Amino acid sequence: DADVTQTPRNRITKTGKRIMLECSQTKGHDRMYWYRQDPGLGLRLIYYSFDVKDINKGEISDGYSVSRQAQAKFSLSLESAIPNQTALYFCATSEGGWTEAFFGQGTRLTVV
Amino acid sequence: GQQLNQSPQSMFIQEGEDVSMNCTSSSIFNTWLWYKQDPGEGPVLLIALYKAGELTSNGRLTAQFGITRKDSFLNISASIPSDVGIYFCAGRGSGNTGKLIFGQGTTLQVKP
Repeated sequence: DADVTQTPRNRITKTGKRIMLECSQTKGHDRMYWYRQDPGLGLRLIYYSFDVKDINKGEISDGYSVSRQAQAKFSLSLESAIPNQTALYFCATSEGGWTEAFFGQGTRLTVV
Repeated sequence: GQQLNQSPQSMFIQEGEDVSMNCTSSSIFNTWLWYKQDPGEGPVLLIALYKAGELTSNGRLTAQFGITRKDSFLNISASIPSDVGIYFCAGRGSGNTGKLIFGQGTTLQVKP
């Protein structure tokens, strides 16, 4: 089993719908992150969490919210999806600091 | 904010050739990381660099942390078809909570 698991792997949703992407990890790491990948733009940080009670905005948090339900679970929500949120979304974890991140396999989201 | 410029954007090479790609920043970084992303997968860490001037190898891969702390390069020697993928550099700067900033990626294709 993967250390960082994302569900669903693929999702098509309609504009205006609420959608949640889930991430769970078995690495025992405190730190979890959500990134968005768009062609030619690399990975951009949406939100990050250093522990269950700590949530921080990244560089592109508008239109997104997160919930850290437990050390092992970090979910990303789009309250009202719009087409320009169509992208590949990655969850990642790290043990401490920012030196190394372990990524999930990604969720491909399409908003029509 | 801090930005990373990664080049080239894409490469199409013959099997057996050596490959070189680099990242430059307008500001100083304390850590440089190189990741590879296979199609349909999340990025996987290849090499981590923590000191200016550091030169580190991982099999056929070699990466260096530039002396100025504003650049890094990755070399792949004797390329093989499984080297195909997207290579990302990522840097961690100082004075900004240490967020990882990613380059735009270099897409590598290898012709057998």
